[in-house]
Amino acid sequence: EAGVAQSPRYKIIEKRQSVAFWCNPISGHATLYWYQQILGQGPKLLIQFQNNGVVDDSQLPKDRFSAERLKGVDSTLKIQPAKLEDSAVYLCASSLAYRVAGELFFGEGSRLTVL
Amino acid sequence: TQLLEQSPQFLSIQEGENLTVYCNSSSVFSSLQWYRQEPGEGPVLLVTVVTGGEVKKLKRLTFQFGDARKDSSLHITAAQPGDTGLYLCAGARNYGGSQGNLIFGKGTKLSVKP
Repeated sequence: EAGVAQSPRYKIIEKRQSVAFWCNPISGHATLYWYQQILGQGPKLLIQFQNNGVVDDSQLPKDRFSAERLKGVDSTLKIQPAKLEDSAVYLCASSLAYRVAGELFFGEGSRLTVL
Repeated sequence: TQLLEQSPQFLSIQEGENLTVYCNSSSVFSSLQWYRQEPGEGPVLLVTVVTGGEVKKLKRLTFQFGDARKDSSLHITAAQPGDTGLYLCAGARNYGGSQGNLIFGKGTKLSVKP
């Protein structure tokens, strides 16, 4: 079974530039998450999708971050304009829908460095 | 805001030693998960505990969920270099039967030296 795919693995940009990350979840997983993991910290949820609808985006900085999952499969996370504090690993995860205490399957992450 | 505090933050031990990692909160969680994350990889689920007082064993790893479902511990017996990694606990609160957001702790970075 193929895992969660993310790209790019690494990205270096200057502040005020824009960047986009792509995620392809495990086939059949209706729930998709984007997490931000700053060095030395645990993952922080940015946004959760159920199919192509947003379940929770309360911690997404909406003035600069946006995410979409148009067909309920792949998802894109965009940052525009980037700030220095956005340097982090962006993890995508997926899970089966509406499973109590279900397992999250994570991708390898996209490491962003903002100079 | 729910907070999951993990301790210790860093742990460096010799192969063969035992260790315990703690995860504490003032909030009650319907379930708690432990993940291990290796450098350059995403977290991988080790175990899920859902019942207060529950104990689960995974080879040399023993996980316990507190009676009040506010805390958990992970005990590793006879640690091996392959146990090296970042151990994350994550608490879930369910909303209407669906899995709510997972709140992650900051993790315990374990290094086991041969």
